[in-house]
Amino acid sequence: KNEVEQSPQNLTAQEGEFITINCSYSVGISALHWLQQHPGGGIVSLFMLSSGKKKHGRLIATINIQEKHSSLHITASHPRDSAVYICAVGSNYQLIWGAGTKLIIKP
Amino acid sequence: EPEVTQTPSHQVTQMGQEVILRCVPISNHLYFYWYRQILGQKVEFLVSFYNNEISEKSEIFDDQFSVERPDGSNFTLKIRSTKLEDSAMYFCASCRTGNTGELFFGEGSRLTVL
Repeated sequence: KNEVEQSPQNLTAQEGEFITINCSYSVGISALHWLQQHPGGGIVSLFMLSSGKKKHGRLIATINIQEKHSSLHITASHPRDSAVYICAVGSNYQLIWGAGTKLIIKP
Repeated sequence: EPEVTQTPSHQVTQMGQEVILRCVPISNHLYFYWYRQILGQKVEFLVSFYNNEISEKSEIFDDQFSVERPDGSNFTLKIRSTKLEDSAMYFCASCRTGNTGELFFGEGSRLTVL
């Protein structure tokens, strides 16, 4: 069983739609990261969470430590949001990565 | 804005050759990481480095791999004798405060082993 599970694997939506990507994990963690990987391969850290909720622009990330679950939301989605979104959890200095959610926003 | 830089961006090598991938982390960061991503697969942790020594390493990081910080700024990953299955994108990352800090990634070094 994967220690970090993301859903959905693929998501196609129309511009303007509200997007939710989910992440469940089975290990004890000190932090959860949401990252964005563009087609060229580069990785950008979006959020680092250890509790509660964080917001940055149109992006919102939440985490429920008791349920070992996190969600990434994108409001008013735009074609430039198209990327792979990856959840990674941190324990003992290493990150365990999810397989990613490939998001395509159509104009 | 400070950034993590990696060189080379792409390296092609013959099987059995030694490869050194270089990273310059952000200057006030203390924790350094190497990850790799085989084409079409998820990112995998290789090694973390703090206070001039390895903090944690994965099963992938066997005796063929080594890391060092030779001069206080560069952070290198050496693969002693490359294998075909070492072909991947290798990402360096750094952060200021370990597990609870924001990670900053380099653009990656693509290694192709022929």
